[in-house]
Amino acid sequence: ETGVTQSPTHLIKTRGQQVTLRCSSQSGHNTVSWYQQALGQGPQFIFQYYREEENGRGNFPPRFSGLQFPNYSSELNVNALELDDSALYLCASSLWGQAYNEQFFGPGTRLTVL
Amino acid sequence: AQRVTQPEKLLSVFKGAPVELKCNYSYSGSPELFWYVQYSRQRLQLLLRHISRESIKGFTADLNKGETSFHLKKPFAQEEDSAMYYCALLGSNYKLTFGKGTLLTVNP
Repeated sequence: ETGVTQSPTHLIKTRGQQVTLRCSSQSGHNTVSWYQQALGQGPQFIFQYYREEENGRGNFPPRFSGLQFPNYSSELNVNALELDDSALYLCASSLWGQAYNEQFFGPGTRLTVL
Repeated sequence: AQRVTQPEKLLSVFKGAPVELKCNYSYSGSPELFWYVQYSRQRLQLLLRHISRESIKGFTADLNKGETSFHLKKPFAQEEDSAMYYCALLGSNYKLTFGKGTLLTVNP
């Protein structure tokens, strides 16, 4: 069984740029959720993807967008980067319909916006 | 709106002492609550969920709907329990809301 993987591990961008983060689901999982974790805070839900469609969204502006591919991997895209976007971005996969919706987390991508 | 509050940012106990990590929630529906843990240099992982009423690594958590709480307890803390603990609530829109976390340190 392969766990959740994310790439890259670290990324440095400048304000106004665009960034794409990638996530591969755990084997057998079909749902992907993305979280933003600022320093000293808990993870904040960005959105969830199931069957290649956004299935729920937190309080994030439209410049945060995502994709899910037929193999259940996913991308998080952030346009017009702001300094406050600097954070750890976590991806979590789960199996839709699984009792209690246990989510399995990746190691995260550390994004720094200068 | 759903909200999870963990009032203690830091908690330090001695090995063998009881430990209680507090979690309070605000949610209008029927909550599904979880505790996640992150050990040093490891990824976030599920510790336990209220619906299972299970005990994992000696930890238990009881949902108290009257007090809107889901405190995590262990009667005898071990050094390997030192970690960051997050309480989380699953809402109706599939949104998992986390608290800010409590860093537990178990001293020898």
